[in-house]
Amino acid sequence: EPEVTQTPSHQVTQMGQEVILRCVPISNHLYFYWYRQILGQKVEFLVSFYNNEISEKSEIFDDQFSVERPDGSNFTLKIRSTKLEDSAMYFCASSPTSGGADTQYFGPGTRLTVL
Amino acid sequence: QKEVEQNSGPLSVPEGAIASLNCTYSDRGSQSFFWYRQYSGKSPELIMSIYSNGDKEDGRFTAQLNKASQYVSLLIRDSQPSDSATYLCAVTIGTYKYIFGTGTRLKVLA
Repeated sequence: EPEVTQTPSHQVTQMGQEVILRCVPISNHLYFYWYRQILGQKVEFLVSFYNNEISEKSEIFDDQFSVERPDGSNFTLKIRSTKLEDSAMYFCASSPTSGGADTQYFGPGTRLTVL
Repeated sequence: QKEVEQNSGPLSVPEGAIASLNCTYSDRGSQSFFWYRQYSGKSPELIMSIYSNGDKEDGRFTAQLNKASQYVSLLIRDSQPSDSATYLCAVTIGTYKYIFGTGTRLKVLA
């Protein structure tokens, strides 16, 4: 069964450094998402992406964040100048269609630890 | 601020009982509703989606939607210890944005 993959599974970085989190969505999916989940808190929407552009973003997704689909398979989240409060689990998801008309499939997540 | 509200629990039920999980949402325009299960340290896993008022059944799970009351529920029949997890309610805001509740922790006692 096809699945969303994410690398690395755990990333440790120093405050102020840039990190890139990588995701490979399911191959025939068209819509891509990033979420974060701070330990013990709820899953928070960051951004949705379709046709090589951002469709929607949350208040969390400020200038520190960017997303890219650099090739036909990868979907990346870049965090510039990481802060302590960026420590969280970051989930990538993909869906064949948008807006809940179809299911989002989540990847296993990348745990980001900012020291 | 669009919100999805859930009781954090824990909700404890004996094995074999029915577990009832509830969720309310604030955006009357929400069109799509989902229940996810999340085990500790793992990613959310879809259980059910529901788009129209009424009930939708899938095996031991039944989702119920009442848009007038802005209320979604999930019933789990014949609860098993393996059902012990956090259950997340999610709704769409517009077309491309999903909002999750904080989740209800379910404990099924053997």
